[in-house]
Amino acid sequence: SQQGEEDPQALSIQEGENATMNCSYKTSINNLQWYRQNSGRGLVHLILIRSNEREKHSGRLRVTLDTSKKSSSLLITASRAADTASYFCATDKGSTLGRLYFGRGTQLTVWP
Amino acid sequence: NAGVTQTPKFQVLKTGQSMTLQCAQDMNHNSMYWYRQDPGMGLRLIYYSASEGTTDKGEVPNGYNVSRLNKREFSLRLESAAPSQTSVYFCASRRLAGAGGQETQYFGPGTRLLVL
Repeated sequence: SQQGEEDPQALSIQEGENATMNCSYKTSINNLQWYRQNSGRGLVHLILIRSNEREKHSGRLRVTLDTSKKSSSLLITASRAADTASYFCATDKGSTLGRLYFGRGTQLTVWP
Repeated sequence: NAGVTQTPKFQVLKTGQSMTLQCAQDMNHNSMYWYRQDPGMGLRLIYYSASEGTTDKGEVPNGYNVSRLNKREFSLRLESAAPSQTSVYFCASRRLAGAGGQETQYFGPGTRLLVL
């Protein structure tokens, strides 16, 4: 079964707007990661947040983690058409072997 | 560095045929993974190899076998393909397993498999 569930399933915005995607999960974790997948390509790692962290920034990306609610959000500020992709959250369910459990993803479309 | 490479890019099989998907990484990573991605779904782990010489089942191992040939290569074999195995297959690698290791996984471009 899916560990992470992203919300919304699809998001359509204009360039320059902010995009927020949410992820909920079910079990305890060591860390939560966000990946991006452009159409027809492999996944690319965006950012990792550890279970003892609440917020992390990387360029135009901001990730928050609330372990009490078992949820995370990914904010992309000042979106560009090139940000159009699917975004997945992945958790480790507490494993240290690198096993990742992915959600179904959010399809983000940014219109010029 | 090429990163993670996968061959072939596309494959069409008939039910019952066998094939091997190849994956190689040139980053000297210890751990390697095989995932499948079905339409509208996230990735699901088929098998993984935490280190050279070890392999373990993931979430959806039925119908598949793997071989960690050496540190660089990790192959996935379908012995008797079924239509339910139509999917996109991704290989990934990670530098170190275990606590304190690097958690980021690096993905290959995928193999698109159609089983008729």
